[in-house]
Amino acid sequence: AQTVTQSQPEMSVQEAETVTLSCTYDTSESDYYLFWYKQPPSRQMILVIRQEAYKQQNATENRFSVNFQKAAKSFSLKISDSQLGDAAMYFCANNAGNMLTFGGGTRLMVKP
Amino acid sequence: NAGVMQNPRHLVRRRGQEARLRCSPMKGHSHVYWYRQLPEEGLKFMVYLQKENIIDESGMPKERFSAEFPKEGPSILRIQQVVRGDSAAYFCASSPLGQRSSYEQYFGPGTRLTVT
Repeated sequence: AQTVTQSQPEMSVQEAETVTLSCTYDTSESDYYLFWYKQPPSRQMILVIRQEAYKQQNATENRFSVNFQKAAKSFSLKISDSQLGDAAMYFCANNAGNMLTFGGGTRLMVKP
Repeated sequence: NAGVMQNPRHLVRRRGQEARLRCSPMKGHSHVYWYRQLPEEGLKFMVYLQKENIIDESGMPKERFSAEFPKEGPSILRIQQVVRGDSAAYFCASSPLGQRSSYEQYFGPGTRLTVT
């Protein structure tokens, strides 16, 4: 069975600063993908970034980047130059099976 | 290209009634997934369907819940004899290929079910 753990229920960052959200996972699969989803108050799930496990290079999407440590089964999200619109719930997910397995989420607050 | 559509967005049911949640996948997508999100929690997988087939229902409660994805029309998640514990947001997602691909799942806006 897959498990995904987000150990930070809440995080806070000053506007324009950098913040890192943590995620660890456990899977017996060798071929899998990892995702970070953003859920704003509208509750729409928005894909932020995706990492393929066989790729060593960390994924980057504009201000969002990941630190993927495969041996440690760690997949953290770094948000640079934080903006007020980044305030949301962030969910880490793993799709090693027929489904996405989500962590419990981290609520990110951005202070002006 | 319209995204994943879910309706209704909000549904209120009394205990014992039936709830029907609908999901139309993105055009060209033939795989549908249903997830449930309880308050202050992450999404939990319920069921994975392709047209006319249930592929994986390992996350579905054994009783009162059923899902279908007919050849024509939307996917339906049906909850019979709802109880207060069924109150949650139900999300549908679709993908053009199965999970063992690089395609991510595209999520609908969710249906918030409230059982009174």
